[in-house]
Amino acid sequence: ETGVTQSPTHLIKTRGQQVTLRCSSQSGHNTVSWYQQALGQGPQFIFQYYREEENGRGNFPPRFSGLQFPNYSSELNVNALELDDSALYLCASSLQQGLETQYFGPGTRLLVL
Amino acid sequence: GENVEQHPSTLSVQEGDSAVIKCTYSDSASNYFPWYKQELGKRPQLIIDIRSNVGEKKDQRIAVTLNKTAKHFSLHITETQPEDSAVYFCAAPNSGYSTLTFGKGTMLLVSP
Repeated sequence: ETGVTQSPTHLIKTRGQQVTLRCSSQSGHNTVSWYQQALGQGPQFIFQYYREEENGRGNFPPRFSGLQFPNYSSELNVNALELDDSALYLCASSLQQGLETQYFGPGTRLLVL
Repeated sequence: GENVEQHPSTLSVQEGDSAVIKCTYSDSASNYFPWYKQELGKRPQLIIDIRSNVGEKKDQRIAVTLNKTAKHFSLHITETQPEDSAVYFCAAPNSGYSTLTFGKGTMLLVSP
């Protein structure tokens, strides 16, 4: 298992609510990427943080936002939840930006009703 | 951005047979290609990766081959075992970023 942890493991929200998901990166890793994995699909890139700065963003609306803290842990915030936001949210940490191996956390399963 | 196509979407083999999963990518500048295995309800786990300076890499029963000219790479699993049953994802770097575009996955079922 990797040293990447995520919380909570499961979450149920209703449409219009806001949610915050958390990720602790593997020791020594300064880069965190967030992915959304819908049922039966591959992970889709949301954004990446490197040393507390956003380092790239996928095709997700601005209501998906994030933060990275000085200890390199990270948060994903989603506002105005929609039914289609129901998915497994994965974070992955890597030693640095660039083509480094990404290690995934166990994910947070979000259900929006 | 990068476009990754993965085939087949499902693959059923008998224990002991070989399995091959293929991926194509669109960005000729891509130079890192990992494969992840995801068991039901678990996180994706890296099983092997290859960089563009080599054409093949092996690790026990698994191997990855890369053809940069044709822009495709393949995962080969030999002597399959029931515990190899899982969804396998290939990935390639997003253009301009340091992160990954994933294929849609291949569900591998190994029957005893």
